[in-house]
Amino acid sequence: LAKTTQPISMDSYEGQEVNITCSHNNIATNDYITWYQQFPSQGPRFIIQGYKTKVTNEVASLFIPADRKSSTLSLPRVSLSDTAVYYCLVGDQENYGQNFVFGPGTRLSVLP
Amino acid sequence: DAGVIQSPRHEVTEMGQEVTLRCKPISGHDYLFWYRQTMMRGLELLIYFNNNVPIDDSGMPEDRFSAKMPNASFSTLKIQPSEPRDSAVYFCASSFTGPGNQPQHFGDGTRLSIL
Repeated sequence: LAKTTQPISMDSYEGQEVNITCSHNNIATNDYITWYQQFPSQGPRFIIQGYKTKVTNEVASLFIPADRKSSTLSLPRVSLSDTAVYYCLVGDQENYGQNFVFGPGTRLSVLP
Repeated sequence: DAGVIQSPRHEVTEMGQEVTLRCKPISGHDYLFWYRQTMMRGLELLIYFNNNVPIDDSGMPEDRFSAKMPNASFSTLKIQPSEPRDSAVYFCASSFTGPGNQPQHFGDGTRLSIL
């Protein structure tokens, strides 16, 4: 069971880069690392996913070291609208269910 | 794409009543998930289906909860009888089988209040 640990909350200011690190020491060979974002009164929304090294899309970057025991979600130049809860999950599509769980997430507050 | 559609968006009912939540997954997706979210317990996976077949229902809290997927475009989550502790936001999500680990697409949820 690849559990994850991430900070409960973080504060930032508009225009800053935010890095949220997730620890997953027991990640399995077939597991991918996926990050979701959730705004109040909405369902979680997929942000980015990776297996190793670095992945970048129009919203964020995901850095994964060689040992894959942690990952860092990087949000460039955050704005007030990035205030949300961010979840890190590790898992494999062949292994959903109780092995693919959402933890408490990281509550990011972006201040003006 | 219309996304995952859930209905109703809000439901308020008295304890003991039957509650039925509905979900229409994204067309072509072969996985469907039901989640429950509360302040105390966060997001909990209740059950998931693959190709309309329930694969893991170990998250279903008790026999009062049941879920069905009669076809690829529709699923229900039923609570009978309902209790105040069932009050929560219930999310449905879907994904498809593909290379890597395909992300789940969530609906906007049903906010359920049991009085």
